[in-house]
Amino acid sequence: QQQVKQSPQSLIVQKGGISIINCAYENTAFDYFPWYQQFPGKGPALLIAIRPDVSEKKEGRFTISFNKSAKQFSLHIMDSQPGDSATYFCAASEWRVGTSYGKLTFGQGTILTVHP
Amino acid sequence: GAGVSQTPSNKVTEKGKYVELRCDPISGHTALYWYRQSLGQGPEFLIYFQGTGAADDSGLPNDRFFAVRPEGSVSTLKIQRTERGDSAVYLCASSLSDVNTEAFFGQGTRLTVV
Repeated sequence: QQQVKQSPQSLIVQKGGISIINCAYENTAFDYFPWYQQFPGKGPALLIAIRPDVSEKKEGRFTISFNKSAKQFSLHIMDSQPGDSATYFCAASEWRVGTSYGKLTFGQGTILTVHP
Repeated sequence: GAGVSQTPSNKVTEKGKYVELRCDPISGHTALYWYRQSLGQGPEFLIYFQGTGAADDSGLPNDRFFAVRPEGSVSTLKIQRTERGDSAVYLCASSLSDVNTEAFFGQGTRLTVV
């Protein structure tokens, strides 16, 4: 059962524009929501993450918005650059005895292309 | 500054053969994870080690898949009687502990079963 749904599948923006990627989750026990960036031939790299006790987190040009009641969260990339062209994955996890925050449930991914 | 290292980078094997994929986690990381990423999909969890023991193997698809971490550092993912459907990128990740949130991923091993 798909527990994290991500949209859109692909996104094309112009340099300087705003890229927005959305995710929705089902498991209300999730309490850690990271975004990963993946370049071709590389493993995913953590970009930014949020806990459900805050509604927004900003790091540089990257912002996560979190809506706990709607079970949705999104990534906003401001002033998008060609170097941001990559695949982005949202993910979610929970900690409880016997498991780990590193046991992540990933979305399907969004291929972002930023045109110069 | 060594990250998570996976070998080989690429592996081509014939259907029915046995393969081993190796992961060297970041030194000092006690938690280690294996994921499988099919083309155009997000990574899917396979198994999680805390130290030497497999704490959660709920993601292993069937009994052809097995993983070990005998000394609490290097891990090997073993696949018996490989099938074409096993073709994917196998990713390894490690984190400082099970309560530490950031998981660092290796570059993956691309397995192709022909």
